[in-house]
Amino acid sequence: SQQGEEDPQALSIQEGENATMNCSYKTSINNLQWYRQNSGRGLVHLILIRSNEREKHSGRLRVTLDTSKKSSSLLITASRAADTASYFCATETGANSKLTFGKGITLSVRP
Amino acid sequence: DTGVSQNPRHKITKRGQNVTFRCDPISEHNRLYWYRQTLGQGPEFLTYFQNEAQLEKSRLLSDRFSAERPKGSFSTLEIQRTEQGDSAMYLCASSLALFYGYTFGSGTRLTVV
Repeated sequence: SQQGEEDPQALSIQEGENATMNCSYKTSINNLQWYRQNSGRGLVHLILIRSNEREKHSGRLRVTLDTSKKSSSLLITASRAADTASYFCATETGANSKLTFGKGITLSVRP
Repeated sequence: DTGVSQNPRHKITKRGQNVTFRCDPISEHNRLYWYRQTLGQGPEFLTYFQNEAQLEKSRLLSDRFSAERPKGSFSTLEIQRTEQGDSAMYLCASSLALFYGYTFGSGTRLTVV
């Protein structure tokens, strides 16, 4: 079963614009992570935010977490054509740190 | 260490044949995961190893699927009597500990014809 639900399913923006992607989940979590996947490739870990954190930054990435609403957002600032990819949120639960992924968001950045 | 390595990258097999995939995780990572991903979907959890012990298996992992991690190093995922519905990307990931995130391999794309 897929716990995370990303929104929107697809996003198309112009290079230089900001991209905001949202994720909602259903159960208690250890942390929430965002991954990027280029077509036909494996996933690349972008950022992790713990359940007791509210905001985290990494380069052009900003992630927020609202555990009361069970939701997270990923902001990519000053987007580049190379940011074109699928983005997945994943929630980590339990002692085995199993990740449960959403269906993903397809981001297209037009040059 | 160049990351998580998966072999082969692509596998085409006839229905009913057995296939085996290999994953070499990052050497310091004692946690190893297998996921399956179909087109337009996120990865779905299959199984988890901590060192050589298989600690969790998904209900998705029917009795035709078996995974091993001898000596806690590389892992293999075998699918017996393949079916067309097994066509997917099989992803392996490793992790150092809780709260560390996963490092994924590039995956093995299986096509059952």
